[in-house]
Amino acid sequence: DGGITQSPKYLFRKEGQNVTLSCEQNLNHDAMYWYRQDPGQGLRLIYYSQIVNDFQKGDIAEGYSVSREKKESFPLTVTSAQKNPTAFYLCASSAQGRYEQYFGPGTRLTVT
Amino acid sequence: GENVEQHPSTLSVQEGDSAVIKCTYSDSASNYFPWYKQELGKGPQLIIDIRSNVGEKKDQRIAVTLNKTAKHFSLHITETQPEDSAVYFCAASKVGTGNQFYFGTGTSLTVIP
Repeated sequence: DGGITQSPKYLFRKEGQNVTLSCEQNLNHDAMYWYRQDPGQGLRLIYYSQIVNDFQKGDIAEGYSVSREKKESFPLTVTSAQKNPTAFYLCASSAQGRYEQYFGPGTRLTVT
Repeated sequence: GENVEQHPSTLSVQEGDSAVIKCTYSDSASNYFPWYKQELGKGPQLIIDIRSNVGEKKDQRIAVTLNKTAKHFSLHITETQPEDSAVYFCAASKVGTGNQFYFGTGTSLTVIP
């Protein structure tokens, strides 16, 4: 069963703690992306990676970090420096040479 | 950077009627325009897309039109059904420069049975 998995579906953390969101894909896609979604807003790009061991900042990278050690995995760490971390986080991937991006089911992070 | 505006933010239609959602973009170099459907608590699902070398594309009850001169594109859903109720997002991208997508703010479509 091919696709993108994100875990967990819901995540709760206390303010000041770092938290890592998981994203795994078995589609053999080269590129992977992290987006943040807030109520009433469109998706905004946090980071993206087109190949292993390389990634670029998106429009709202401050307070986030990523790694891309394996093709199928692109974890996102929300650090304590992120001022408003409560949001719905979406991971996506795309194949090399293809335009389309496919999304995972998302992780809803709540920080109190 | 690119700016994508989407209207309306909410839309209610009777079952069987048509629904139209419109988006405008600012960067004339954008060349790929996907539409996504998002159901509550789920990730967006790609439903149709169009490239800048095409003016219209249709897939069963869904169609997308693109006017490059005016820099706007639209999603048309005909013969709407209750299962079409969801939030729809448009996006614009310059493929070949990291494939970064810029999304509209979404349209919440309700199809009334």
